[in-house]
Amino acid sequence: EAGVTQSPTHLIKTRGQQVTLRCSPISGHTSVYWYQQALGLGLQFLLWYDEGEERNRGNFPPRFSGRQFPNYSSELNVNALELEDSALYLCASQSFGGSAGELFFGEGSRLTVL
Amino acid sequence: AQSVTQPDIHITVSEGASLELRCNYSYGATPYLFWYVQSPGQGLQLLLKYFSGDTLVQGIKGFEAEFKRSQSSFNLRKPSVHWSDAAEYFCAVGSILTGGGNKLTFGTGTQLKVEL
Repeated sequence: EAGVTQSPTHLIKTRGQQVTLRCSPISGHTSVYWYQQALGLGLQFLLWYDEGEERNRGNFPPRFSGRQFPNYSSELNVNALELEDSALYLCASQSFGGSAGELFFGEGSRLTVL
Repeated sequence: AQSVTQPDIHITVSEGASLELRCNYSYGATPYLFWYVQSPGQGLQLLLKYFSGDTLVQGIKGFEAEFKRSQSSFNLRKPSVHWSDAAEYFCAVGSILTGGGNKLTFGTGTQLKVEL
């Protein structure tokens, strides 16, 4: 069974640009979570999608957004990139009714903003 | 609000030695607690979890953790470390989001180095 897959694995952008990161959850998982792992800040909860809807978001500005598609895959969009957006972005999925908090993580997309 | 403290940023142990990684949490109710491991260039892998019941939980790769409510701790242990255990370890507390989802609040991680 394939795990959570993310693309691209690495990318470099310049300040002010926009980026889209993609995530495919484990087959059968309906919830997708996005986390940011920035140097010195640890892992921060970004967004939670379930059944195609944004259900909750962490303490991030509106330029961080995303969506979930009918096949439960998800995109994370970051507009007007800033230097401090440089981070590893991790996607995680969870099955409906899955054990509380047991998230399955992908390997992440490493974003560098110059 | 919940929080997790991992007081050790780096730990170095010799292969074959025992290991204990410390984790303290702050949470208003009975916590859901987790340990995840992240190898270089990899995502996070769940090592073990505590929801309720037996306070000593067993995980994968020979790891175990003990929940101590009186100390608000959930320390991770392994009796004999292998070189392949070198990685970063994250303790996390889970909470329920509005709508039923699960938010994990992570500690800042402990980087484990294993000397051969």
